[in-house]
Amino acid sequence: GESVGLHLPTLSVQEGDNSIINCAYSNSASDYFIWYKQESGKGPQFIIDIRSNMDKRQGQRVTVLLNKTVKHLSLQIAATQPGDSAVYFCAESNQGGKLIFGQGTELSVKP
Amino acid sequence: GAVVSQHPSRVICKSGTSVKIECRSLDFQATTMFWYRQFPKKSLMLMATSNEGSKATYEQGVEKDKFLINHASLTLSTLTVTSAHPEDSSFYICSAPAFRDYEQYFGPGTRLTVT
Repeated sequence: GESVGLHLPTLSVQEGDNSIINCAYSNSASDYFIWYKQESGKGPQFIIDIRSNMDKRQGQRVTVLLNKTVKHLSLQIAATQPGDSAVYFCAESNQGGKLIFGQGTELSVKP
Repeated sequence: GAVVSQHPSRVICKSGTSVKIECRSLDFQATTMFWYRQFPKKSLMLMATSNEGSKATYEQGVEKDKFLINHASLTLSTLTVTSAHPEDSSFYICSAPAFRDYEQYFGPGTRLTVT
């Protein structure tokens, strides 16, 4: 059934600042991790991914860090812009392609 | 990149009726598609894996008789919500892996409201 309990965590940042969004994953056997951005009323949009044999991967303005020891994933967004305002989800996967999504964080960028 | 479409984008139906949602891969073939549901301010929850040519695989707690899945071709999967009730109101999203097994492309979602 649906996840129960907590509302979405929120992160509010000033335009131009860097944002860091964190995620704890559950399955130590997961070998592929993805960050998605979801705007209101839309499907998730791929941002960046990382495999378990890496601990850091950089894209355009985004960096993903993976710490397998503590099963922690983070997304860093440089020079955050108003267009970055959205909900961000991490997801984990292993062979078979099924994605398990994390709780999500709502990012709000103040102009 | 690969494109996944969903139809309809929004649907309102009366309690007790059935609603069909289509998921199409537009420029690639998908032997597997995934269906998720998402409640407001919540994460995506995997409902089932749709397999072309065979039965869908449902996640624990998802009623297969309630949520009928048919993967009719390599580009189309349908989700039918049978005898819908207000608690079935949700955002339903499909996805399909393309090019690489791990990389999935998501549809734009279907907002179902049951009155």
